[in-house]
Amino acid sequence: GQNIDQPTEMTATEGAIVQINCTYQTSGFNGLFWYQQHAGEAPTFLSYNVLDGLEEKGRFSSFLSRSKGYSYLLLKELQMKDSASYLCAVRGDNYGQNFVFGPGTRLSVLP
Amino acid sequence: DAMVIQNPRYQVTQFGKPVTLSCSQTLNHNVMYWYQQKSSQAPKLLFHYYDKDFNNEADTPDNFQSRRPNTSFCFLDIRSPGLGDAAMYLCATSRGVNEKLFFGSGTQLSVL
Repeated sequence: GQNIDQPTEMTATEGAIVQINCTYQTSGFNGLFWYQQHAGEAPTFLSYNVLDGLEEKGRFSSFLSRSKGYSYLLLKELQMKDSASYLCAVRGDNYGQNFVFGPGTRLSVLP
Repeated sequence: DAMVIQNPRYQVTQFGKPVTLSCSQTLNHNVMYWYQQKSSQAPKLLFHYYDKDFNNEADTPDNFQSRRPNTSFCFLDIRSPGLGDAAMYLCATSRGVNEKLFFGSGTQLSVL
């Protein structure tokens, strides 16, 4: 089975940096993904980690430690449009076909 | 542009009346997924197809069925919708293992 955990809600100020954590316990691991989802819309892909370390993509970075079952998404220079839910998802069993989302973190960016 | 298309965007059905949601893709991806997402919750995987191989999640109710007649199309059938089945249904595809998911825009299902 798979167990993925994230904080439910976070608040940050425009221009600041925020780190959203994700911990997971899965049987099998074939990569960890971060998605952004605005209310009423489909999730959109942000980043992907399969090896330990940091992946940087503009204002967004994601880190993975497989031995600790831990990842974080780092958002820099926050903008109001970054207010959304951030979903951590893990490819686990079944040769990676299973793709299971964590509960999501709702981020509110305040002026 | 290659994409994942879900129709309709909004679907209303009556309690107990069968309903089918459709998904098509022009990406030629091997894997197609159906997720259920209720308000303020994360998407919950219902099942997926790897090519023609169907994989059902253990806790997906029997009320939910799926068909994939060819690579491009996948359908979600809800045989007897209950009020608790009102949700956003998301279709997604991926090229294979270790690949990201591409989502359709979703179908918001209401059950009256």
